[in-house]
Amino acid sequence: EIVMTQSPATLSVSPGERATLSCRASQSIGTNLAWYQQKPGRAPRLLIYGASTRATGVPVRFSGSGSGTEFTLTISSLQSEDFAVYSCQQYNNWPPYTFGQGTKLAI
Amino acid sequence: EVQLVESGGGLVQPGGSLRLSCVASEFTFSDYWMTWVRQAPGKGLEWVATLNQDGSGTFYLDSVKGPFTISRDNAKNSLYLQMHSLRAEDTAVYYCARTPRYGVGAFDIWGQGTMVTVSS
Repeated sequence: EIVMTQSPATLSVSPGERATLSCRASQSIGTNLAWYQQKPGRAPRLLIYGASTRATGVPVRFSGSGSGTEFTLTISSLQSEDFAVYSCQQYNNWPPYTFGQGTKLAI
Repeated sequence: EVQLVESGGGLVQPGGSLRLSCVASEFTFSDYWMTWVRQAPGKGLEWVATLNQDGSGTFYLDSVKGPFTISRDNAKNSLYLQMHSLRAEDTAVYYCARTPRYGVGAFDIWGQGTMVTVSS
């Protein structure tokens, strides 16, 4: 099973600032990685797939990078609606699909 | 609007059973694999099960293999999760999610979730 590890667990930032979230895979997954955003009481929303491709309707301030075992989600200028939990997921070696434990973006 | 809507959650006693449903709309349901993902209170997302377009291929999290069965009815645009022998550890919000063919890809559409609580 591939273990996904996200850091930090909580990231405190201010609106307008840049946020950088990390995700590490326990073995190489190429670019078979997705990022999801989840707000309290809501379903996850796909942001990024293929490590760097924005899903439909996702603002350009969200960008993903990385390959192999190290990945990054960057939000270039935080808006109030961006404060949420972000999770990474690998779909390279499954079953099982595995998710990181999430990074909470907080004010 | 492309949509998935789950139902069937509730409170059940340990050892009990529950059947979750997920109805799809505004896309060709039979073209897609489908997945159940759960999230225990305050925890991260956990994959539960996936099945292919015609339901002939199923994949399960090891801990639910046996008690849980994923199935679909393409004529009704519906996905199901039959859960038996439920334990407290199965308490979670259960989401259905649209999955690319052959399972290689991200889950691009999610339902709103249905809460399952296993407690006496």
